[in-house]
Amino acid sequence: GENVEQHPSTLSVQEGDSAVIKCTYSDSASNYFPWYKQELGKRPQLIIDIRSNVGEKKDQRIAVTLNKTAKHFSLHITETQPEDSAVYFCAAKRVGYGGSQGNLIFGKGTKLSVKP
Amino acid sequence: DAGVIQSPRHEVTEMGQEVTLRCKPISGHDYLFWYRQTMMRGLELLIYFNNNVPIDDSGMPEDRFSAKMPNASFSTLKIQPSEPRDSAVYFCASSLELADPTYNEQFFGPGTRLTVL
Repeated sequence: GENVEQHPSTLSVQEGDSAVIKCTYSDSASNYFPWYKQELGKRPQLIIDIRSNVGEKKDQRIAVTLNKTAKHFSLHITETQPEDSAVYFCAAKRVGYGGSQGNLIFGKGTKLSVKP
Repeated sequence: DAGVIQSPRHEVTEMGQEVTLRCKPISGHDYLFWYRQTMMRGLELLIYFNNNVPIDDSGMPEDRFSAKMPNASFSTLKIQPSEPRDSAVYFCASSLELADPTYNEQFFGPGTRLTVL
């Protein structure tokens, strides 16, 4: 089955710097790659996603890139702010079978700390 | 819509007791997922349903865990008997199957923090 590896497990940056989180996946059939942000004590929430037919997607200060050949995708946060401090999860989804939806496979998470 | 609703938000119980966690998905969503989150193991999928039918329960840790979805607006996760190692945050999530089933955002509930003493 699918396996998603996420690195680093913790990341500390100064406010204003950029942060990059990387994930690799094993199932070449995966074609949907969302990123979730979980603030302390809160629920995970989708912040951006990318589909296998594009290589990059950007939304203000966050961007995600996908390299299908190498089976890895990355989250880039520019001009980091203290409110970006949270745990970030990458995930990959296998193509469903028999009309049913495949479940998301999550990475272990990256705890990002942005120091003022 | 109020989003995914879970109850209780916090549960403290003693080892050996039965625990029931409840979830109300977003109206109209036809997929429901139960996750468990711990520091050691991260976010683990326990089971998911499509149109009230369990599709994959391979993540359920053992027979002490069971889940039901009697109708489209309600699901339960039961642990009987509970053990201290079951202490975790349990999340319920729901999603809508679009015409292209490959791309679906999962919306998470606020979670239930379970402590088994």
